[in-house]
Amino acid sequence: DAMVIQNPRYQVTQFGKPVTLSCSQTLNHNVMYWYQQKSSQAPKLLFHYYDKDFNNEADTPDNFQSRRPNTSFCFLDIRSPGLGDAAMYLCATSREWGSDRGRKPQHFGDGTRLSIL
Amino acid sequence: KNEVEQSPQNLTAQEGEFITINCSYSVGISALHWLQQHPGGGIVSLFMLSSGKKKHGRLIATINIQEKHSSLHITASHPRDSAVYICAVSGYNQGGKLIFGQGTELSVKP
Repeated sequence: DAMVIQNPRYQVTQFGKPVTLSCSQTLNHNVMYWYQQKSSQAPKLLFHYYDKDFNNEADTPDNFQSRRPNTSFCFLDIRSPGLGDAAMYLCATSREWGSDRGRKPQHFGDGTRLSIL
Repeated sequence: KNEVEQSPQNLTAQEGEFITINCSYSVGISALHWLQQHPGGGIVSLFMLSSGKKKHGRLIATINIQEKHSSLHITASHPRDSAVYICAVSGYNQGGKLIFGQGTELSVKP
């Protein structure tokens, strides 16, 4: 089945130690999103790729970076994780072109829960 | 005031009951999304609608564009429906960016 896969499901890292979360998709969607979701809160968009174009949210800390080497893969890099970065990280994809922007469903992965020691 | 407001925030129902979750928004939208999230899990897209009504199994979603209001109904609720239900809108001219409501936590008791 076509899907959005996030690895790993659970990630533990040390305070200040760089960590990378990965997302892959078999849907051939052109848009990929990264969200941060803290306990009992709504997801918060960090950034997204529209094709190869990177779009950062204004309030996303510089500590968070992303790479999209090809259509199928997208990575979230946290350069120096702090305790406040412990959260669920969700990847989502959609197929959107031109006037379709915002009119297509997003397909979410199961998320990676990040813990900071 | 949040751009997307849901009510109620928490809901407990008995198995078999008819459930309604409401969503109001204050921005121009391209589409409204209803999402489901089980505890500790990822998010599943239930509906995306920009007008009228959609039905999938026991779930029904309606939207009134003029009133900027949407409802999600669950008929014959079941304990497996227990989850957080999130209303989100794609803001007009905001690309695909979703603006989320705070979610409604539903618990269906057997």
